Amino acid sequence: SQQGEEDPQALSIQEGENATMNCSYKTSINNLQWYRQNSGRGLVHLILIRSNEREKHSGRLRVTLDTSKKSSSLLITASRAADTASYFCATKKGRGVGANNLFFGTGTRLTVIP
Amino acid sequence: GAVVSQHPSWVICKSGTSVKIECRSLDFQATTMFWYRQFPKQSLMLMATSNEGSKATYEQGVEKDKFLINHASLTLSTLTVTSAHPEDSSFYICSAGTSGQGETQYFGPGTRLLVL
Repeated sequence: SQQGEEDPQALSIQEGENATMNCSYKTSINNLQWYRQNSGRGLVHLILIRSNEREKHSGRLRVTLDTSKKSSSLLITASRAADTASYFCATKKGRGVGANNLFFGTGTRLTVIP
Repeated sequence: GAVVSQHPSWVICKSGTSVKIECRSLDFQATTMFWYRQFPKQSLMLMATSNEGSKATYEQGVEKDKFLINHASLTLSTLTVTSAHPEDSSFYICSAGTSGQGETQYFGPGTRLLVL
């Protein structure tokens, strides 16, 4: 299976605190993406980091990528109650069969307590 | 921009019936559409990939005769769950992408299927 794993599975923090989620994957990738999913809803794309990048920022989001360890982390700073959702990493091989397919991690359920 | 819709948003059907789910890219042409299935509190699992005008490519373990995919135009793909059974109850999500390796997939809001 190409599915990645995320930890923690669930994370509960107070509003204003930072939240860090980790993702590990198995195969070589072209890029890694992070998505957010509110309960029972579709996915919202948050940020994409390419295999030749090590860190990327977007607003309160900071993503790191370590291709030697096949891992990535998503940091949400100054969390808000509205950040409560499930967060998934997804990888794309970029070449070969299924080059454009996305394979999702197991997800982290984040709860931000007001 | 880059809006993907799904219809219906939820459906309840009797065991043995077939259910069709539509996925539309509203403001762009999608060369590739993807279908995922998500069981409660689990991740998304890719079921199949479809390119406009060609047969879908199914992931290992997904029955192509059970999950019929048609990608008739650059803005519409359909997934038909044939002879649905209770174990097919799930959240089905489609996404659409344009050509190129670095593009983002745009996800639909999902369709919740409950088979009684």
